Amino acid sequence: KQEVTQIPAALSVPEGENLVLNCSFTDSAIYNLQWFRQDPGKGLTSLLLIQSSQREQTSGRLNASLDKSSGRSTLYIAASQPGDSATYLCAAALTGGGNKLTFGTGTQLKVEL
Amino acid sequence: DAGVTQSPTHLIKTRGQQVTLRCSPKSGHDTVSWYQQALGQGPQFIFQYYEEEERQRGNFPDRFSGHQFPNYSSELNVNALLLGDSALYLCASSRGTVGSTQYFGPGTRLTVL
Repeated sequence: KQEVTQIPAALSVPEGENLVLNCSFTDSAIYNLQWFRQDPGKGLTSLLLIQSSQREQTSGRLNASLDKSSGRSTLYIAASQPGDSATYLCAAALTGGGNKLTFGTGTQLKVEL
Repeated sequence: DAGVTQSPTHLIKTRGQQVTLRCSPKSGHDTVSWYQQALGQGPQFIFQYYEEEERQRGNFPDRFSGHQFPNYSSELNVNALLLGDSALYLCASSRGTVGSTQYFGPGTRLTVL
């Protein structure tokens, strides 16, 4: 059974700081890994999707990496802004598991002025 | 291009009642998945519909059932509501059933009293 863990559970940083969010998974037979953003009480916004054959993906100030052998993914946010404040969730899709996503519990990020 | 839409936004029910939630997928998408997100937790996979059939199911009781219509929209039905069914219910759509990016709707907040 795939288990996904995110550390830390909460993070508070000053504006402008670069930061890294961590995601670990127990079953390395993943098809892809997806990072989402969730604002309070809202749905999920897809940020980046990394296929199992890829090592990283970039979108603007965001960079996500994937290391299947160690069961880890990281989301790097450069030059953080108050508008980045949200909960960040990672989710893994298993090979042979179709589109079923297994989510972590998220990292709640607060970027302060 | 409309994204994933869900209705209603909020719903209040009492124990033992039945509820129906609705989802319209993003244009061009043919697969709909449903997730339950309890407060402070990551979303949990309920089931997935493709070609009007349930293709995958998570660890949820038979009280949870669904349907997909020829236009790819979907309904989630929950019978005999329990207090523990209170959660944000999220619908996600994708193209096909294997490893594609999933796009989430804003969710339906269900409160069971």
